[in-house]
Amino acid sequence: GEDVEQSLFLSVREGDSSVINCTYTDSSSTYLYWYKQEPGAGLQLLTYIFSNMDMKQDQRLTVLLNKKDKHLSLRIADTQTGDSAIYFCAESPGPPPSKIIFGSGTRLSIRP
Amino acid sequence: NAGVTQTPKFQVLKTGQSMTLQCAQDMNHEYMSWYRQDPGMGLRLIHYSVGAGITDQGEVPNGYNVSRSTTEDFPLRLLSAAPSQTSVYFCASTPGGSVTEAFFGQGTRLTVV
Repeated sequence: GEDVEQSLFLSVREGDSSVINCTYTDSSSTYLYWYKQEPGAGLQLLTYIFSNMDMKQDQRLTVLLNKKDKHLSLRIADTQTGDSAIYFCAESPGPPPSKIIFGSGTRLSIRP
Repeated sequence: NAGVTQTPKFQVLKTGQSMTLQCAQDMNHEYMSWYRQDPGMGLRLIHYSVGAGITDQGEVPNGYNVSRSTTEDFPLRLLSAAPSQTSVYFCASTPGGSVTEAFFGQGTRLTVV
């Protein structure tokens, strides 16, 4: 079945890079997403990558996709206190109405 | 532009009570969905709709009903609330087609006692 797995917690020092990892099982995944959830808020799309890409960079964010290993990572350069949030990995076999399967979320905390 | 609006933000129900969680979007999006978020379990899809008059079940539909009489509104009904339905509920909408971003509401925190 479809499954998306992430570690639950990550703690990094302010100014360091954060790397959040995700694995998924559905080989038909076409779209892979990273969403961010700040306390008391809904989820906001950070970035997404198509399965025919292996890397996408957007300012401080770098997404790496290893399709063979079904592994997705999100790197946040120069992590700031405002990056504290829960980060969700998600996958979908296509655009809507394909359903999106979310991971359990990784809580990123920043230490001074 | 309000985006996706959910009401209420908080609700406490007694076991067996029924209620409706409201969701409205003003972006003319075709696709709407309801998720529940539980600690350590991510978001699980309850029901979704690909357009007015069309709904379908997600991963965890039992105990919930939905309808989509208009493009804008997608209410979620709890028929007979149970403590297992204590959760945070999120409504999301997506334009459809090749646009993939889902826009989420602020969530409804529901406690069933």
